[in-house]
Amino acid sequence: NAGVMQNPRHLVRRRGQEARLRCSPMKGHSHVYWYRQLPEEGLKFMVYLQKENIIDESGMPKERFSAEFPKEGPSILRIQQVVRGDSAAYFCASSPRTVEYQETQYFGPGTRLLVL
Amino acid sequence: AQTVTQSQPEMSVQEAETVTLSCTYDTSENNYYLFWYKQPPSRQMILVIRQEAYKQQNATENRFSVNFQKAAKSFSLKISDSQLGDTAMYFCAFPNFGNEKLTFGTGTRLTIIP
Repeated sequence: NAGVMQNPRHLVRRRGQEARLRCSPMKGHSHVYWYRQLPEEGLKFMVYLQKENIIDESGMPKERFSAEFPKEGPSILRIQQVVRGDSAAYFCASSPRTVEYQETQYFGPGTRLLVL
Repeated sequence: AQTVTQSQPEMSVQEAETVTLSCTYDTSENNYYLFWYKQPPSRQMILVIRQEAYKQQNATENRFSVNFQKAAKSFSLKISDSQLGDTAMYFCAFPNFGNEKLTFGTGTRLTIIP
């Protein structure tokens, strides 16, 4: 059973470009979470999605950031018009969310975004 | 709002020694889970151990165990017989009731000295 997959692992963008980060959850997991880790800091929640639904986007900046989890394919975190402050590691986590609440989240390897 | 506090920014111990990392949290919930994650130099986030609040028995995974004090809202991680591969950042994490988004502590950087 493959773990959570994220690609690319490293992404370099110039200011003003767009960044697309992809996450494929573990097999059987239908819930995806995105977190951001700024240098020398802990992880901060951004958005929680189920298939075709955004459940909680309270941690996501109101502008330039968007996320989706389509019926088919990976979850996408999209950052438009990137700025240097967007440089960070972006982690995706998935969980099965069965009838039991508070399932463990399993993390992908992260995408390290560097904005020049 | 839930908070998670890790008061030890850095720790170091000799190989084979035992080390305890502290974590305190604040919540009004009664039933919940707590997690410790490890982030080695590769930056991968790896689940170390999980504790259910309704269980009185402390969780154990090989050399890793927790000391869970529910009344004190304390959730420390003990690493026995520490190994060089244990060198990493360790994060305590608490899921929000309902949507399960995790609140992380600021982390403890643990260095195992050969």
